[in-house]
Amino acid sequence: EVQLVESGGGLVQPGGSLRLSCAASGFTFSAYWINWVRQAPGKGLEWVANIKVDGSEKYYVDSVKGRFTISRDNAKNSLYLQMNSLRVEDTAVYYCARGTVGRSGYSAYWGQGTLVTVSS
Amino acid sequence: SYVLTQPPSVSVAPGQTARITCGGNNIGSKSVHWYQQKPGQAPVLVVYDDSDRPSGIPERFSGSNSGNTATLTISRVEAGDEADYYCQVWDSSSDRGVFGGGTKLTVL
Repeated sequence: EVQLVESGGGLVQPGGSLRLSCAASGFTFSAYWINWVRQAPGKGLEWVANIKVDGSEKYYVDSVKGRFTISRDNAKNSLYLQMNSLRVEDTAVYYCARGTVGRSGYSAYWGQGTLVTVSS
Repeated sequence: SYVLTQPPSVSVAPGQTARITCGGNNIGSKSVHWYQQKPGQAPVLVVYDDSDRPSGIPERFSGSNSGNTATLTISRVEAGDEADYYCQVWDSSSDRGVFGGGTKLTVL
C-alpha cells in the first residue's frame, strides 16, 4: 500500500524557518518525481515545488523561489521542504504527493498533510 | 504565467449530469488532470491525462480536452460526489505546476 506521511508542521513566527518531511512507503521511491502542494485555509490547491527522481532537477512556484528548498533522500525514502523567511501568506496545509516517472505527471497518491501556521 | 479558470460552483440534482469546465490558453495541447477533495481530506485523483480513470474511480467520471477548455463530466450524480474539484496541468513554458481555482459541486 502506497503511503505518504508528512511531518514537521507547526506554528512559526514571520521570518522564521521550518523543515517539513515526507516519509514514503509501499513503492519504489527513487523511481518517481515528488511534489509539494499546499492549501491555505479555505482556499484552493497551490503547487509549490517538485523534484526529479535523482534530485538533479527542482522546480518552484515563483512565490517561494529563493526561500524554499526541496530535497530528497532516496536511501531513506524521504522528501523534505526547507522553508526559510516564512511569511504569513505561507500559512497552509502542505501535502506531499507522488508524481509520475515524468516531470509533468499527475499525483495519484497524497499524504494527509501537515499544517504550517505563520503568525506572530 | 499560465492560468486555469474554473467556475466557482456547479449545482446539479441527483441522477443528473454535472459538467465542470477548466479554461486555459490552448489547454487542448496539455495533459489535464482532475482531483476531487472532500472537506478535511486530501485530494483524490479522479481523471488523469485528459480522460483516463485511475483504478477504483467509477465510470461515471469522465474527462475531455480540446481547444481552450477541458471538461470533467460526472454522470448519474450521487450525493457522495459533493466536493471541490480541481483541474491541473504542467506548464512547460515556465516549468511550473498549475491548479485551477476549484469548483464546488453541490448536489441539490
